Amino acid sequence: QSALTQPASVSGSPGQSITISCTGTSSDVGNYNLVSWYQQHPGKAPNLMIHEVTKRPSGVSDRFSGSKSGNTASLTISGLQAEDEADYYCCSYAGGNTFYVFGTGTKVIVL
Amino acid sequence: QLQLQESGPVLVKPSETLSLTCTVSGGPIYNYNYDWGWIRQPPGKGLEWIANIYFSGSTYYSPSLKSRVTISVDTSKNQFSLKLSSVTAADTAVYFCARLKAGDHYFDYWGQGTLVTLSS
Repeated sequence: QSALTQPASVSGSPGQSITISCTGTSSDVGNYNLVSWYQQHPGKAPNLMIHEVTKRPSGVSDRFSGSKSGNTASLTISGLQAEDEADYYCCSYAGGNTFYVFGTGTKVIVL
Repeated sequence: QLQLQESGPVLVKPSETLSLTCTVSGGPIYNYNYDWGWIRQPPGKGLEWIANIYFSGSTYYSPSLKSRVTISVDTSKNQFSLKLSSVTAADTAVYFCARLKAGDHYFDYWGQGTLVTLSS
């Protein structure tokens, strides 16, 4: 099972909106509404930002939102802030014998 | 507040077995709503799911690691453990333990991670 494909980096200026894509297949992203997104600052553990494609855990800013179309899920960060600079990973449930697939990761750069 | 803490040797010799334990505090492992899992991250690289276990003992393994991995749970100690055999340099990574919401399939609590390095 290959990793889900994410852009290596996405950049934006403070206040702008950016979108990170996460492309899988009909066996994972396209087959389940079970995509989650994680933010990881350097040297830290990942932190859950979005689950089940669109749901935001309590405590996560509403500037973060998720969506999905076909085999591609997306994370949008609106009103970009300096503290949003981090690595972001998507993850999809894939069922069968594969279970979970993570994305390749995207570095968000705040200009 | 739930907390997870990894522990175990940080140096492992090639061909030997890597062993890590995750101690859960602030809540019971014996919980119908959650699985418990291991994820790793090689230096400078992305996340890779390794395995999950339910408190009942049901296990789920990454196909690429299944032949070398064993995950187990000790509900009396509120701990779960990982063993990875026949390690090579490719197994050098930060190993995270995490709680997985059963059925909804997301990792909501993570340990801080522990770097395990192969060294002869």
